[in-house]
Amino acid sequence: GENVEQHPSTLSVQEGDSAVIKCTYSDSASNYFPWYKQELGKRPQLIIDIRSNVGEKKDQRIAVTLNKTAKHFSLHITETQPEDSAVYFCAATTWVTSGTYKYIFGTGTRLKVLA
Amino acid sequence: DAEITQSPRHKITETGRQVTLACHQTWNHNNMFWYRQDLGHGLRLIHYSYGVQDTNKGEVSDGYSVSRSNTEDLPLTLESAASSQTSVYFCASSPGGQNIQYFGAGTRLSVL
Repeated sequence: GENVEQHPSTLSVQEGDSAVIKCTYSDSASNYFPWYKQELGKRPQLIIDIRSNVGEKKDQRIAVTLNKTAKHFSLHITETQPEDSAVYFCAATTWVTSGTYKYIFGTGTRLKVLA
Repeated sequence: DAEITQSPRHKITETGRQVTLACHQTWNHNNMFWYRQDLGHGLRLIHYSYGVQDTNKGEVSDGYSVSRSNTEDLPLTLESAASSQTSVYFCASSPGGQNIQYFGAGTRLSVL
């Protein structure tokens, strides 16, 4: 079946450095790729997303890139801050019919920003 | 403000008991989902619904059931709780025709 692989599972960076998290998906029909941030004990919250007709999207210190040919997408966080410490999940979604879709999550990356 | 709420936030139960976790959203979203979150597994889909009277099984549906009698609610029932069902459960919803999901705050369930 379809799956999403996410790497690394844990990532430690010094404050101010950049962090990159990578995901690879298997379903070539996937067309929407959100990233969620989950702080300890909290709900996952959408931080950025990208659709298949776009190669890159940026929002302040975070950016997402998509390579449809290779079926992978990445989250980039620049100038990391302690509040960026959290678990990050990627997902790949595919429309099944109009109005219904499949959503497959990666297994998460625990990011630690060291002060 | 419109939102999605889960109750209870924490639950301790014994093996073999029936347990129901509530999920209620006031956004009038057609699509609702239940996930469980376990260390090393990320978010795994249990059941989902694309509208009233519609329910579908996800990848880890054994031992769980849902019903959708109205737009706002999708309760998740554990028919006979097992220790393997100890987990954090998240409900999510999205508008019809859109695939952005909004999550509830989660329910931490312990089965002893």
